[in-house]
Amino acid sequence: EPEVTQTPSHQVTQMGQEVILRCVPISNHLYFYWYRQILGQKVEFLVSFYNNEISEKSEIFDDQFSVERPDGSNFTLKIRSTKLEDSAMYFCASMGRKRQETQYFGPGTRLLVL
Amino acid sequence: SQQGEEDPQALSIQEGENATMNCSYKTSINNLQWYRQNSGRGLVHLILIRSNEREKHSGRLRVTLDTSKKSSSLLITASRAADTASYFCATDFVNTGGFKTIFGAGTRLFVKA
Repeated sequence: EPEVTQTPSHQVTQMGQEVILRCVPISNHLYFYWYRQILGQKVEFLVSFYNNEISEKSEIFDDQFSVERPDGSNFTLKIRSTKLEDSAMYFCASMGRKRQETQYFGPGTRLLVL
Repeated sequence: SQQGEEDPQALSIQEGENATMNCSYKTSINNLQWYRQNSGRGLVHLILIRSNEREKHSGRLRVTLDTSKKSSSLLITASRAADTASYFCATDFVNTGGFKTIFGAGTRLFVKA
């Protein structure tokens, strides 16, 4: 069964460093999402992406964040200058060809900012 | 703002009992999805129910949606210890052409063997 994959599974970085989290969505999917989950808290929407552009973003998704689909298969989330409060699990999700379909989540990347 | 909220926050039951979790939201939605998350792990999709549907079943799971009350419930029948996890509802809605999904705070279910 096709699945969403994410790399790395864990990343430790120093405050102020840039990180890039990578996701490979399911191959024929058109809608893509990034979420984050701070330990013990709920899953928070960051951004949705369709047709090579951002569809919607939350207040969390400020100028330090960016997303890209560089090669038609990968979907990346970049944090330019990490802060301590960026420490969280980051989930990528993809959805098929229609909006009213199931979102499939990747296993997540656990980011720790020191 | 759009927000799914579950209740109860935590639920402890004996194996074999049914577990009911509720979710409320504030604005019109396209669909509502229920997910399960084991501690520290990823999200597993359980059921999607569309805004024009009232009830869906999948194995031991039953989901209802009442758009007039802006609420949904997830029923797990004949619970098992392996059902121990956090359960989240997530609402999809379209906002001025964009789309986003909002998760509730979740219900932590503990099933005692």
